[in-house]
Amino acid sequence: AQKVTQAQTEISVVEKEDVTLDCVYETRDTTYYLFWYKQPPSGELVFLIRRNSFDEQNEISGRYSWNFQKSTSSFNFTITASQVVDSAVYFCALSEEETSGSRLTFGEGTQLTVNP
Amino acid sequence: ETGVTQSPTHLIKTRGQQVTLRCSSQSGHNTVSWYQQALGQGPQFIFQYYREEENGRGNFPPRFSGLQFPNYSSELNVNALELDDSALYLCASSQEGVSSYNEQFFGPGTRLTVL
Repeated sequence: AQKVTQAQTEISVVEKEDVTLDCVYETRDTTYYLFWYKQPPSGELVFLIRRNSFDEQNEISGRYSWNFQKSTSSFNFTITASQVVDSAVYFCALSEEETSGSRLTFGEGTQLTVNP
Repeated sequence: ETGVTQSPTHLIKTRGQQVTLRCSSQSGHNTVSWYQQALGQGPQFIFQYYREEENGRGNFPPRFSGLQFPNYSSELNVNALELDDSALYLCASSQEGVSSYNEQFFGPGTRLTVL
C-alpha cells in the first residue's frame, strides 16, 4: 500500500535561512508521481511541483529546489533564503498509475514558520 | 479561466443531520476528487468522479456519497453526521481522465463543523 511520511511536524527558521523539508514514500508501483503542495492559512492547496518516477533529475525553480532519490525513496524540498511569505503547511503527496490512478496520498504535512 | 470553486465556505451542523457540499470544477476539467482534511492532518481521499461515474473510493463509509453532473460540477453528501466528520473538505478537478499524471487543482475548501 502507498504511504507518505513527513517526519518533521514543525520547523521554525529565521528569515534568509535555508530549510529542507523531508519526504519519504512507499509504493509497489513502478510508475508513480510525487508532488509537493503548499497550504497557506487560507486553506487552499497550491501546487508546487510534480515529478514522475522515471525522472530523477533534481529541479530548481527560483528559491525552491527538489531532490528526488529513488534509492532512498525520498523527495525532499529545499527553500533557499526563506522569506516570511513561505510560512505555510507543506504537503508531499504520491499517486500511483497502476494501483490508484490519480488519487493522491498525502503525508501529514510540515508546518513551516519563517520568523523575521 | 475560472478556478475550482466550492460552496459554502463554512457550515455548522449538529450530529445526525445531513449535509451537501458543492464544487464547480475548473473549465475544461472532467474529473473531480473529494478529500477530507481533519485539523492538523493531511487530506484523505474520499472518492473521485469521472464523466458522472464514481471512479475509485477511499476508506470512507457509505454515508459519504457523491454526484457529478453533466457540466462536471459535483456534490458531496454526508448523512448521519458524526462529530469526527468535522473537517475541511477539499474538492480537486483535473483534465482528461484519471491518469495519475494529471495535475489536480484544488478549491478553497468547505469548513464543516459538527456539534
